Amino acid sequence: SQQGEEDPQALSIQEGENATMNCSYKTSINNLQWYRQNSGRGLVHLILIRSNEREKHSGRLRVTLDTSKKSSSLLITASRAADTASYFCATNSIGSGSRLTFGEGTQLTVNP
Amino acid sequence: GAVVSQHPSRVICKSGTSVKIECRSLDFQATTMFWYRQFPKKSLMLMATSNEGSKATYEQGVEKDKFLINHASLTLSTLTVTSAHPEDSSFYICSARGQGASWVHEQYFGPGTRLTVT
Repeated sequence: SQQGEEDPQALSIQEGENATMNCSYKTSINNLQWYRQNSGRGLVHLILIRSNEREKHSGRLRVTLDTSKKSSSLLITASRAADTASYFCATNSIGSGSRLTFGEGTQLTVNP
Repeated sequence: GAVVSQHPSRVICKSGTSVKIECRSLDFQATTMFWYRQFPKKSLMLMATSNEGSKATYEQGVEKDKFLINHASLTLSTLTVTSAHPEDSSFYICSARGQGASWVHEQYFGPGTRLTVT
């Protein structure tokens, strides 16, 4: 079952603007991961944040994790048209081994 | 980074036939592979987890006899959709992870296989 809920479901912005996507989950987790998927393609791993971490950066990506609220956010700064894709959060719950549960995803469109 | 391939990338088959999809880890040994299904504009649903040399573990609601999974080697897992029907049309994605502590949280995804059943 999918435990992750993401909002917004769709986001349309102009190049250069920042994009923020949110993810909520229900279980206790080992870590939360963000993935990107271009239309009809496989997933690309973006970033992993562990349950004892609160913020992580990778290039133009910034991820936060609030385990008390069971939520995470992905910020893409200075967006580019090439960032247009679907973005999914995935949680690795405690006791689930290495299984991932994916959120519903946010479709990001960056207009040139 | 680790590379996972899938073959074929697209397949069209007739109702009642069986289709085999391959998932290969190209530059690492995958002790565990995962099979997901994705409907258009939807999220990924985990179908099953396969460990090399043992039977796959299926998620609730996934028919074992319909979706046959074989993980006979450390670099190859196959998903066979048996007696396919139009409702089996979907995007099937595999992922793989290797051995050792550094792999505990990492999975690498294949490019997916688009199955269309007519």
